[in-house]
Amino acid sequence: GAGVSQSPSNKVTEKGKDVELRCDPISGHTALYWYRQSLGQGLEFLIYFQGNSAPDKSGLPSDRFSAERTGGSVSTLTIQRTQQEDSAVYLCASSLTGDSYGYTFGSGTRLTVV
Amino acid sequence: ILNVEQSPQSLHVQEGDSTNFTCSFPSSNFYALHWYRWETAKSPEALFVMTLNGDEKKKGRISATLNTKEGYSYLYIKGSQPEDSATYLCAFHTGGFKTIFGAGTRLFVKA
Repeated sequence: GAGVSQSPSNKVTEKGKDVELRCDPISGHTALYWYRQSLGQGLEFLIYFQGNSAPDKSGLPSDRFSAERTGGSVSTLTIQRTQQEDSAVYLCASSLTGDSYGYTFGSGTRLTVV
Repeated sequence: ILNVEQSPQSLHVQEGDSTNFTCSFPSSNFYALHWYRWETAKSPEALFVMTLNGDEKKKGRISATLNTKEGYSYLYIKGSQPEDSATYLCAFHTGGFKTIFGAGTRLFVKA
């Protein structure tokens, strides 16, 4: 596509439920990143995918968080048993080369856990 | 732990005012600094990439300076307009793929 597409744009869920957030990167971009911004905080790195390499999951805050990238394209971030502290804007970005230059961001998913 | 600080956290100005805010970052292992503009419900948009000490970049009414030795960058907006209202993020790159973002400065411009 022309840009990075994220869905849903807003999600309200009850504490304890699982949620899936989707990111559709720019076609041909080999690198895909997930970040989140909690209220008053900076953008926090979550996970990085580069081509067929094993993803860097070092930013995932707990084992309730997982992500996959199918066919080197679409990525899904799954949060199991959501907690109120998971409330944040989740941003996806893709990059042609993965060297931190030329990020293109999606417009984010605002997750609210009630 | 690498930390990027932005100040102020938020700023309210009148239309026509000029304003500036700060991004502080580690002065070692510097590779590049990015400024992004993030409007609510939209994607963060890249404003500037700065790589050299003393860099000055300009885009319309917005400009930025970089001091890598002391670890700070300033973003200036001249003659603020309501459409400048957004969160301004800076991002510090050490050359790897991980980028450290500041919390942003949220700018409100009142007509």
